[in-house]
Amino acid sequence: EAGVAQSPRYKIIEKRQSVAFWCNPISGHATLYWYQQILGQGPKLLIQFQNNGVVDDSQLPKDRFSAERLKGVDSTLKIQPAKLEDSAVYLCASSLMFVETQYFGPGTRLLVL
Amino acid sequence: GQQLNQSPQSMFIQEGEDVSMNCTSSSIFNTWLWYKQDPGEGPVLLIALYKAGELTSNGRLTAQFGITRKDSFLNISASIPSDVGIYFCAGQRPTSGTYKYIFGTGTRLKVLA
Repeated sequence: EAGVAQSPRYKIIEKRQSVAFWCNPISGHATLYWYQQILGQGPKLLIQFQNNGVVDDSQLPKDRFSAERLKGVDSTLKIQPAKLEDSAVYLCASSLMFVETQYFGPGTRLLVL
Repeated sequence: GQQLNQSPQSMFIQEGEDVSMNCTSSSIFNTWLWYKQDPGEGPVLLIALYKAGELTSNGRLTAQFGITRKDSFLNISASIPSDVGIYFCAGQRPTSGTYKYIFGTGTRLKVLA
C-alpha cells in the first residue's frame, strides 16, 4: 500500500512570496490533515478535511493560508504572502475516518528568507 | 495552540539501557498515541492506547494509558542505536463533531553505542 505522498520535499522562498504544497493521501482515506511543525516542536494541526469538506480550520491563519481538497482526494495548502515565521515542516496525514489512525507523509520543508 | 508536556525533553543513554518517557496533559483524552520521527521524515505510529489503564507492547516498546486519562508513558527496553529519534505523544479527543489530535513537545533520544 502506497503511503502519503507530498511535494515538493523542500522549498526556499523570500518573504512576501507565495508557495503551494501538494498532498496525495493513502487511497480510500476520507480524512486528510495538514500540520505545521516548527523546529523543536510537535506538529500543530492547521486544517482537517473529511472528504472535500473542512471539519476544523480553527488554527489556520486564514489571512495568508488557504487549503482545498477538490474531489475529496488530493489537497493543496497555499501560503500567500509568506512570512519569516512560516519557516517550518508542513506535514500531511490521512486516515480512513477521523477516529482512525493517522498516517503521515514525509513533509515539505519550507524556509522563508 | 495547546501542546502536551513531554519529559524529559532530551536524553542520552548507553546502548542496552532501558528508557522511560512520559506525557502529561491538563485535559482528558480518549486515545493516546506514541509516534517516532526520524530526521527528514514524518512521524510513524508506534503504539495506540484506547482505554484508561491499558498496557500495550510492540516489541521492545511498552506504553500505558494513565488511569486519570491525562497522561501516558512509553518505555523502551534494551535500547539500540536505531532507537535514536524524536518521540512524540499525541492525545485524541472528540470536539465539535470530529476528533482532534494534540501532539506533545517531543523527547529527543540519543543512544551511545
